[in-house]
Amino acid sequence: EAGVAQSPRYKIIEKRQSVAFWCNPISGHATLYWYQQILGQGPKLLIQFQNNGVVDDSQLPKDRFSAERLKGVDSTLKIQPAKLEDSAVYLCASSLLLAGSYNEQFFGPGTRLTVL
Amino acid sequence: AQTVTQSQPEMSVQEAETVTLSCTYDTSESNYYLFWYKQPPSRQMILVIRQEAYKQQNATENRFSVNFQKAAKSFSLKISDSQLGDTAMYFCAFMKQRNYGGSQGNLIFGKGTKLSVKP
Repeated sequence: EAGVAQSPRYKIIEKRQSVAFWCNPISGHATLYWYQQILGQGPKLLIQFQNNGVVDDSQLPKDRFSAERLKGVDSTLKIQPAKLEDSAVYLCASSLLLAGSYNEQFFGPGTRLTVL
Repeated sequence: AQTVTQSQPEMSVQEAETVTLSCTYDTSESNYYLFWYKQPPSRQMILVIRQEAYKQQNATENRFSVNFQKAAKSFSLKISDSQLGDTAMYFCAFMKQRNYGGSQGNLIFGKGTKLSVKP
């Protein structure tokens, strides 16, 4: 079974530029998560989708970050304009949506963003 | 709000020895899950072990076991017979359990412990 796919793996941009990350979840997984992992810290949830609807975006800096999940499958996370403090690894994860059950989150390899 | 604390930034162990990683957490929830994740240099986050808070029995997965002390809000990971491939960052994480018993939500991570296994 194919895992969570993310691209690109690495991205270097200048501050104030725009950048977009792509995630393709495991087939059949209705729930998709974007986490931000700053160097030396654990991942922090940015946004959670259930199918193509947003469940939790309370920690997403909405003045510069946006995310969408059209058709409830692939997702794109965008930063516009980027700041130095956005340098981090962006992890995508997905899980099934089975009520009353534990649904494991499976993580992708992440995209390392460096903002200069 | 829930918090997860890992007080050991780095640890090392000799191959074939046993090592214990510490984690404490704070929550007012009664029902939740606790996890240990492994993140090797490749960055892929891999689930090592899971514990449901309502279960008194400590979870085990082959060489990995936990010591879950609910009253003390402590959740340590023991790795037995350490192998070179165990070298990685290890993250302790917390997730609330939904009222209907399922899981669907925010994983709250600690800052991690860097484990080095030496030959």
